[in-house]
Amino acid sequence: TQLLEQSPQFLSIQEGENLTVYCNSSSVFSSLQWYRQEPGEGPVLLVTVVTGGEVKKLKRLTFQFGDARKDSSLHITAAQPGDTGLYLCAGGPPTESGGGADGLTFGKGTHLIIQP
Amino acid sequence: DTEVTQTPKHLVMGMTNKKSLKCEQHMGHRAMYWYKQKAKKPPELMFVYSYEKLSINESVPSRFSPECPNSSLLNLHLHALQPEDSALYLCASSQLFVGRLDVGGGNREAEAFFGQGTRLTVV
Repeated sequence: TQLLEQSPQFLSIQEGENLTVYCNSSSVFSSLQWYRQEPGEGPVLLVTVVTGGEVKKLKRLTFQFGDARKDSSLHITAAQPGDTGLYLCAGGPPTESGGGADGLTFGKGTHLIIQP
Repeated sequence: DTEVTQTPKHLVMGMTNKKSLKCEQHMGHRAMYWYKQKAKKPPELMFVYSYEKLSINESVPSRFSPECPNSSLLNLHLHALQPEDSALYLCASSQLFVGRLDVGGGNREAEAFFGQGTRLTVV
């Protein structure tokens, strides 16, 4: 069972469009991180959300942590070809004692392609 | 400085070879991790070191042997690998390793910084 479910798994859109990527879980996380990874490179941390209901903005990227700290979303406004990459959400760790993975738990990722 | 440095960037080795991957960070982080990532998949945790001691071994075969010589360095020794071990090997570090238990909720200590990875090909 995947602890963190990401959707969509693949997304290809035109430059200038908006998009939202979702990261959902039945577990409560102490924090959630979003990473962007390019082929052959390591994931690069974009943001960490720690408070339920928190909204963080990073230029055209808006990150939201659900009130119950079980889900998060990433919204990109006016997508650009440079936004192309694998977007990973990761939680660390689930708060229920004795359950879940140690270290970071990753979702399967969203492969995003922005067509010029 | 939020850099995690991994060497080498690329490695090709035979199934009888012995090689080592190296990872270094100078952020004062006390937790360091090895992840394995296959193409189009998320990273999979292999090992966690906390305060230079092995905290987690995710049932990794003994042909992978981690070592943490000091708080800034993490090595992964490779011996008698199989072609299916070919993957991107990622090192990461975080301020602390928070483990399974709830630490009060809402913390940035699990925030991890990754190296660029070593692309390993076993032939």
